[in-house]
Amino acid sequence: DAGVTQSPTHLIKTRGQQVTLRCSPKSGHDTVSWYQQALGQGPQFIFQYYEEEERQRGNFPDRFSGHQFPNYSSELNVNALLLGDSALYLCASSPPLGPEHYEQYFGPGTRLTVT
Amino acid sequence: KNEVEQSPQNLTAQEGEFITINCSYSVGISALHWLQQHPGGGIVSLFMLSSGKKKHGRLIATINIQEKHSSLHITASHPRDSAVYICAVRPSENYGGSQGNLIFGKGTKLSVKP
Repeated sequence: DAGVTQSPTHLIKTRGQQVTLRCSPKSGHDTVSWYQQALGQGPQFIFQYYEEEERQRGNFPDRFSGHQFPNYSSELNVNALLLGDSALYLCASSPPLGPEHYEQYFGPGTRLTVT
Repeated sequence: KNEVEQSPQNLTAQEGEFITINCSYSVGISALHWLQQHPGGGIVSLFMLSSGKKKHGRLIATINIQEKHSSLHITASHPRDSAVYICAVRPSENYGGSQGNLIFGKGTKLSVKP
């Protein structure tokens, strides 16, 4: 089992550009959550996808959007990049309802640098 | 004021020492997570607990729901324990909680010297 995987590992973009980050959940998991972690801070919840729909959203602008595919993988899109979007973007997956439903398994993250 | 506060922010210990990291939170919760983050970013879930105490190897996590406080203890610390330890809470339903909405502390950076 590969666990949660994310791509790319690192990314450098210019202010104003758009970026797409990808996440494949752990096998058997159907829910994907995205977090942004600025340097020296704890992660902040961006949004969560379940059954190909955004189920809950944190306090992030509409420039942040996402998608979940039928195979449960997910994308995070950020438009009109700002310098402040530079961060580690973490994806976490969760299993369907059951004893481990509230557990979250994190991927290695994508380090985004906006110049 | 952050909803999840950790202390200390930084901790340096000698190998073999007993380590305690504290977490206080201000919202009602359905669960609390202790996570470990190594340089490079990857996060590993250590514990998820909603009451009492859990133990895994040299790690022990306790929670006091009434006092809104949790502690992570590491016995016989080792240099490979060096990492950032993060406390995260899942708010209860009446605080807008759901499966995904974890609120994180800023983390405690632990360095264990040989």
